[in-house]
Amino acid sequence: AQSVTQLDSQVPVFEEAPVELRCNYSSSVSVYLFWYVQYPNQGLQLLLKYLSGSTLVESINGFEAEFNKSQTSFHLRKPSVHISDTAEYFCAVTRQAAGNKLTFGGGTRVLVKP
Amino acid sequence: KAGVTQTPRYLIKTRGQQVTLSCSPISGHRSVSWYQQTPGQGLQFLFEYFSETQRNKGNFPGRFSGRQFSNSRSEMNVSTLELGDSALYLCASSPGGQGAGEAFFGQGTRLTVV
Repeated sequence: AQSVTQLDSQVPVFEEAPVELRCNYSSSVSVYLFWYVQYPNQGLQLLLKYLSGSTLVESINGFEAEFNKSQTSFHLRKPSVHISDTAEYFCAVTRQAAGNKLTFGGGTRVLVKP
Repeated sequence: KAGVTQTPRYLIKTRGQQVTLSCSPISGHRSVSWYQQTPGQGLQFLFEYFSETQRNKGNFPGRFSGRQFSNSRSEMNVSTLELGDSALYLCASSPGGQGAGEAFFGQGTRLTVV
């Protein structure tokens, strides 16, 4: 069985500062990794995903995440945050060839301050 | 392309009652997954349906059940409601496959059990 740990439940950050959200997973088999974002009273939206290939994946809105197999991590970073990035971020994993069952971390609430 | 539609958005039920939630996936998507989101337990996988068959199941009691129709629409049912069933229930739609595709989430149904 897989599990996901998000090491920070809340991250306050000033506007235009960088942010890193940490995610570690455990699995005995190959996995796919995802970051989702949830705005208040909304569902989840995919930010980016790692399936295979390059270990650095990027989103269209400036986020990037790096897959590190040896450290079983998939940390999310953004070099300069905006007020609109205030949201909750979830790291998720699914086992390859296991349908679409996602196992989520506990979430990290990002509060961007002006 | 219309997104994932969940109805109703809000529900208030009394302990002991039963409830049915509905999810219409994105046109062409054959996989529908359900998740329960609570402040204490986070996002937990309930079950996944693919081509009208349950493909994955989470660790929830038998009071939680679901089904999928031939048009891929899905319903989940919770019988004998308990106070602890109060949660945001999210439906996710995927093309099918084995987890490599994106899961598109609906806005959820917020269930309150009193």
